[in-house]
Amino acid sequence: DVKVTQSSRYLVKRTGEKVFLECVQDMDHENMFWYRQDPGLGLRLIYFSYDVKMKEKGDIPEGYSVSREKKERFSLILESASTNQTSMYLCASSLWDVYGYTFGSGTRLTVV
Amino acid sequence: GQQVMQIPQYQHVQEGEDFTTYCNSSTTLSNIQWYKQRPGGHPVFLIQLVKSGEVKKQKRLTFQFGEAKKNSSLHITATQTTDVGTYFCAGLWEYGNKLVFGAGTILRVKS
Repeated sequence: DVKVTQSSRYLVKRTGEKVFLECVQDMDHENMFWYRQDPGLGLRLIYFSYDVKMKEKGDIPEGYSVSREKKERFSLILESASTNQTSMYLCASSLWDVYGYTFGSGTRLTVV
Repeated sequence: GQQVMQIPQYQHVQEGEDFTTYCNSSTTLSNIQWYKQRPGGHPVFLIQLVKSGEVKKQKRLTFQFGEAKKNSSLHITATQTTDVGTYFCAGLWEYGNKLVFGAGTILRVKS
């Protein structure tokens, strides 16, 4: 089975801190995605990547950046954390556009 | 941008009753996928529909893709407590490069 691993299950950070969320997949998938999930708003795409060193903005990229230096790893960076970035962050990967996504277990980030 | 509208937002059913959630797009979809997220868990891929009018079944779950490829439904027959969770549809448009998720339907089952 494809495994998508997110480095932390829970994180608490202070306002203004730079935050790194790490995601690693073990099945050589080309595509990787970062979503945030908030009650009543569903899954909103932050950034995605179809190849190493390639990135595209999703629907809500403001306040975030990403890095994909290796095919298996996709990092989400909060340049200066703010309280409105408190959320559940989900990483996903897929083989091609038309295949189902495999999600990681999520990181629940609280910014205080 | 393109959106997928999903209804209802919540559904509480008695165990043994049926459940249906619906997804609609204003434009033709290339394919639609369905995911289930258990409470405290992460979304898990259930199925993908590609063809107009397609119907697929997984045990008590029936998935349909509309003839115009603009709508889809997930129907659960005789719900069980193990069915609780949030069901998401996600659409992909022709020439699109990413899935767009609906807001999800939260299913609660009373035993």
